[in-house]
Parts: sequence; structure tokens; C-alpha cells
Amino acid sequence: GAVVSQHPSWVICKSGTSVKIECRSLDFQATTMFWYRQFPKQSLMLMATSNEGSKATYEQGVEKDKFLINHASLTLSTLTVTSAHPEDSSFYICSAANRGASSYEQYFGPGTRLTVT
Amino acid sequence: GESVGLHLPTLSVQEGDNSIINCAYSNSASDYFIWYKQESGKGPQFIIDIRSNMDKRQGQRVTVLLNKTVKHLSLQIAATQPGDSAVYFCAESGYSTLTFGKGTMLLVSP
Repeated sequence: GAVVSQHPSWVICKSGTSVKIECRSLDFQATTMFWYRQFPKQSLMLMATSNEGSKATYEQGVEKDKFLINHASLTLSTLTVTSAHPEDSSFYICSAANRGASSYEQYFGPGTRLTVT
Repeated sequence: GESVGLHLPTLSVQEGDNSIINCAYSNSASDYFIWYKQESGKGPQFIIDIRSNMDKRQGQRVTVLLNKTVKHLSLQIAATQPGDSAVYFCAESGYSTLTFGKGTMLLVSP
């Protein structure tokens, strides 16, 4: 149980275009989903926390108008990178917290590799 | 032995050895700690966790030790196998968000 999927697993886009990444909890309801970014040989950095039906909370330094997060249902959150630039190339990972479980438990998706050319 | 790469410290061991990966955490108010394993191109995989009211917890081939006095966490892997080669991250949590440590790359040679 507690499986989280991401789609796509990798994407290449041109500079200036927008890219949407989906995060789904497959077998549980997730009231909270988290989005992380990871650059090569670095740790995961939390970008934002999204709660179903409400606006996402962004970490300091993360542009909310550039990284649009929508958490429209208990099983789906999306991250849209708008007007992508090469410096946005990174590994984006989502996690989901199980409704009713300990607030500590997060289940991670497999990640999405974004390359902006 | 240990070496520090461009961003990621690396621990190289022989198959069958015991591995110890260390982590210093920053927030004395954190009360939950987790170790994750991340293979190349994949998301983090939960290994073991420990709450702040404990100082040791054992799993299958893994043991986590917590020293709150010096804010130090360690992961011990017994009889390390080539399949254990990955990057290992510790993470701390105060309530709902996780803060990840810098990570250590474990390389296991046969």
C-alpha cells in the first residue's frame, strides 16, 4: 500500500514553455502533498506544501507564480513550471501524507526529471 | 573510508562489512527522524525511523541511533551488500514537514 506515482517520469521542453507534472496517491487519500526539487548530487529541498482544496504554502525563495501547484482532489496534485528556463532543469519529487495517519508519514513518488533546453 | 566529493560525502565499503552513516541535524525541537535510501533516478525509499523519546531502533539489517545531546543520528547497516549502494539521507521533522540532510553516497564493492 501507500503508492505514489508521478507523470511524466521525464520531460524535455524548450525554454519559455510550461510543463505540468502530476502526482497521484494510488491507494490512499492524501490530504497533504509536498513538492521537492533536487539538483544533482544535492539533497531534496522542499518547495511547497499543498493541502487539498486550499492554496499551497511555498517555502522561502520559491516563486509561487512560477511554480503553480494545484491540489484539486485527495489523490491528485499538480505542479506546473511556467515559462521554464534551463536553470529550472532538475529532479522534481512529490510526496503524499496519508489522511488520518501520523502527520510524519510521507510517501514519495519516483520523481520527474525535467530538462529545459 | 570517507571522502568528501563536490557536494556529497562518500563512504566506500567492501561487501559483507558493516557500514555506519552519520548525520548531524539542526533543530533541537525535531521529534521524528527518518533515514531514506535513494537510488539513482528514483525517489527516496523509507528505511527506518525513530522518535525523539528513543535512542535506538533496530530493523532488518539496519539500526538507527539517536543522540539528542549532540544532535547526531547514525544508520548502521549490517553485512552490507552491493544492492545497498545508494545515497542515504537523514530527515528530521517537527510536525508535518521534513528537512533533509545533505546525504551520503554508499558504495559497496564486491
